[in-house]
Amino acid sequence: GQQVMQIPQYQHVQEGEDFTTYCNSSTTLSNIQWYKQRPGGHPVFLIQLVKSGEVKKQKRLTFQFGEAKKNSSLHITATQTTDVGTYFCAKTSYDKVIFGPGTSLSVIP
Amino acid sequence: EADIYQTPRYLVIGTGKKITLECSQTMGHDKMYWYQQDPGMELHLIHYSYGVNSTEKGDLSSESTVSRIRTEHFPLTLESARPSHTSQYLCASRVPRGSYNEQFFGPGTRLTVL
Repeated sequence: GQQVMQIPQYQHVQEGEDFTTYCNSSTTLSNIQWYKQRPGGHPVFLIQLVKSGEVKKQKRLTFQFGEAKKNSSLHITATQTTDVGTYFCAKTSYDKVIFGPGTSLSVIP
Repeated sequence: EADIYQTPRYLVIGTGKKITLECSQTMGHDKMYWYQQDPGMELHLIHYSYGVNSTEKGDLSSESTVSRIRTEHFPLTLESARPSHTSQYLCASRVPRGSYNEQFFGPGTRLTVL
């Protein structure tokens, strides 16, 4: 189907530990987007990856797009309590944006 | 910060009432979307629009309807609300092709049907 899958569904980490969420598709993606949704908030766009093997960094966040353009990852180094929320990957399909189920991150101070 | 607005932010109503959730954006985006999201769960696309007078059903079947008479306005209507409609409804608009194609979300409407 058109779905993108994400693992893990939930992750609890101690503050200062690293965190990674993975996004997988059965079909080749033209691009992959990542969004963050804080508890009680709305999704906010973080980044879009387009090229095979692309790596982009935003401060402590590192985003990767797989060589085959079927998977992507988001890695957070040294998590902080401000990183709490749900991280969604999303793919574009024609004029729709299809979201993965999300990974919910909890950070224990 | 994106200029996309939703009203009301919170709504508690009784079963059988007709309600309209408002969504407006001032960015001139042609593409607009409605998502339904239960707390902590994934986003389900229920309606989208390519532009004025264009509406399409999304991937999740919904008893709601939408209209797009003006570019900036994309209201969602429930003719007869039921407890199963209790959820958060998120409106979004999208940057045109050629740029990042990112979606901007409104703050959402939390609907509770008693």
